[in-house]
Amino acid sequence: KQEVTQIPAALSVPEGENLVLNCSFTDSAIYNLQWFRQDPGKGLTSLLLIQSSQREQTSGRLNASLDKSSGRSTLYIAASQPGDSATYLCAAPYGNNRLAFGKGNQVVVIP
Amino acid sequence: DGGITQSPKYLFRKEGQNVTLSCEQNLNHDAMYWYRQDPGQGLRLIYYSQIVNDFQKGDIAEGYSVSREKKESFPLTVTSAQKNPTAFYLCASSRRGQPNQPQHFGDGTRLSIL
Repeated sequence: KQEVTQIPAALSVPEGENLVLNCSFTDSAIYNLQWFRQDPGKGLTSLLLIQSSQREQTSGRLNASLDKSSGRSTLYIAASQPGDSATYLCAAPYGNNRLAFGKGNQVVVIP
Repeated sequence: DGGITQSPKYLFRKEGQNVTLSCEQNLNHDAMYWYRQDPGQGLRLIYYSQIVNDFQKGDIAEGYSVSREKKESFPLTVTSAQKNPTAFYLCASSRRGQPNQPQHFGDGTRLSIL
């Protein structure tokens, strides 16, 4: 079964700094990996889906990379803003259309 | 706008009572999923359905039941056999097929014990 780990569990950064969030997964036989954002008491919002053939995906200030061989993905958020404060979840697929989730990186951007 | 609607937003259960959480989607997705989220934990899969009239147990199905009579709807019943039902429940949907398709989520239902 797929196991997903996200470290650190929580981090705080001053506004304007770049954020680097790490995700590791145990089964590297994946076609893609998905990053989500979750605000307190809310559902998940899909941020980026990286295909294994792409290795990198960008959307605005967000950039996600995927290295299957090492079982790692990284989410970069450039020039962080207070509105980026949220929990970021990484999810890797396994089985038949199933996702394994990490516990998330809880981010606080300090104004 | 297409999306997933979960209701109610908050739900309270008495001892010995069954409660049903609603999940409706108008994305024309074949696959639907139910997850449970506890504080500081990742999402855990309860049940999923790849097609109408078919569903499979996830990792923590005990004490829960589902039905999939319509493509748009995938209700979850939390039965009295679920001894620790307090959690945040999330419903998701996706297209079916390989490679795995991205999942889209509703806003969740928070269930508490009275």
